[in-house]
Amino acid sequence: GESVGLHLPTLSVQEGDNSIINCAYSNSASDYFIWYKQESGKGPQFIIDIRSNMDKRQGQRVTVLLNKTVKHLSLQIAATQPGDSAVYFCAESSYTGNQFYFGTGTSLTVIP
Amino acid sequence: KAGVTQTPRYLIKTRGQQVTLSCSPISGHRSVSWYQQTPGQGLQFLFEYFSETQRNKGNFPGRFSGRQFSNSRSEMNVSTLELGDSALYLCASSFGSDYEQYFGPGTRLTVT
Repeated sequence: GESVGLHLPTLSVQEGDNSIINCAYSNSASDYFIWYKQESGKGPQFIIDIRSNMDKRQGQRVTVLLNKTVKHLSLQIAATQPGDSAVYFCAESSYTGNQFYFGTGTSLTVIP
Repeated sequence: KAGVTQTPRYLIKTRGQQVTLSCSPISGHRSVSWYQQTPGQGLQFLFEYFSETQRNKGNFPGRFSGRQFSNSRSEMNVSTLELGDSALYLCASSFGSDYEQYFGPGTRLTVT
């Protein structure tokens, strides 16, 4: 079956520093990837996505990098703020179906 | 534009009972996916509906079923509840395949 894993279950960063959250995926046919943020008591919130024809995509304070050679995805958050504290999930899917596979999540804690 | 809504938000049932959860997608979205989220397991895909047809199904027993109505609203049903069915059930909607999914707040189901 599909496998989407996260390298680190927890990450603590100082406020103002940059954060990097990593994700490995196993299905080489996956061509669409999404990062979600989930705060306590809420559903996952879409952050940024990237398709397999791209290596990098930037949003507001966030950047997603895709390395298809090693099947690795990362989310970079610039100038991390306390409001960024949450669990972050990566998800992958292939064009063959609207079925996403999620990793177990990385808990990001921002230290003021 | 209103987001994805789910009802009820919280539910307590006893073993052996059945339960029906409801999801209203974002206006214009025709795809609705359901996920189960438990501590340490991340999000596990249950099924996806598009234009009233189930297109994808995850690896869950037949006790888990769903349907979609002509207005794209969706329901999922769990029969003969087990303690292990206690989880946060999330609904996500999208325009269709290969588009970002937007999640609702979830229904917290507790089986006693």
